Amino acid sequence: AQKITQTQPGMFVQEKEAVTLDCTYDTSDQSYGLFWYKQPSSGEMIFLIYQGSYDEQNATEGRYSLNFQKARKSANLVISASQLGDSAMYFCAMREMNTGNQFYFGTGTSLTVIP
Amino acid sequence: EAQVTQNPRYLITVTGKKLTVTCSQNMNHEYMSWYRQDPGLGLRQIYYSMNVEVTDKGDVPEGYKVSRKEKRNFPLILESPSPNQTSLYFCASSLSSRGRSYNSPLHFGNGTRLTVT
Repeated sequence: AQKITQTQPGMFVQEKEAVTLDCTYDTSDQSYGLFWYKQPSSGEMIFLIYQGSYDEQNATEGRYSLNFQKARKSANLVISASQLGDSAMYFCAMREMNTGNQFYFGTGTSLTVIP
Repeated sequence: EAQVTQNPRYLITVTGKKLTVTCSQNMNHEYMSWYRQDPGLGLRQIYYSMNVEVTDKGDVPEGYKVSRKEKRNFPLILESPSPNQTSLYFCASSLSSRGRSYNSPLHFGNGTRLTVT
């Protein structure tokens, strides 16, 4: 079974609007971390935001927030006030304490911001 | 500056010609890993290392070798490259995977785009 599922291969959003990128995960571990990375067309992988399984508050980093719904095993990334520079691939990832040797990545969502 | 450095950025080679992609990190991270990225498949782990002299296979290890003789370096070796190894490769590092370090993100190098003809 897939550990991380991103069901949206491509998304479009109007500039200045908010957008939600979906991510669901599969784990039986109680202790885990969820991460989002951005990959612009230049290719580098940029760490955006982290949510721990025990965190009660949703993580926020500037215009990025993580909508964490533990019971549903979802960790959606919300980007507010989209900018042209947000056009990129976005990857959701998980790291489990019991198998801390592995990061599990989704297949990514390509976001295009339309002016 | 804390970083993961991998070289080269671009590499074009021919089938069967041994090559090494270097990776070095200056953050004293115990955990290092190699990934390949292919369209539609996301990031797939090739090999990882928990510490010096400790390496293990990831999801797609066939055709690759690694070594971890020093904490900072984790080279990826293709003994006999084939066209199906044409891909974008990333080296990454993180704090130890023990205990609560599961909350530590991966830090990536800038990637190596490999073409095998």
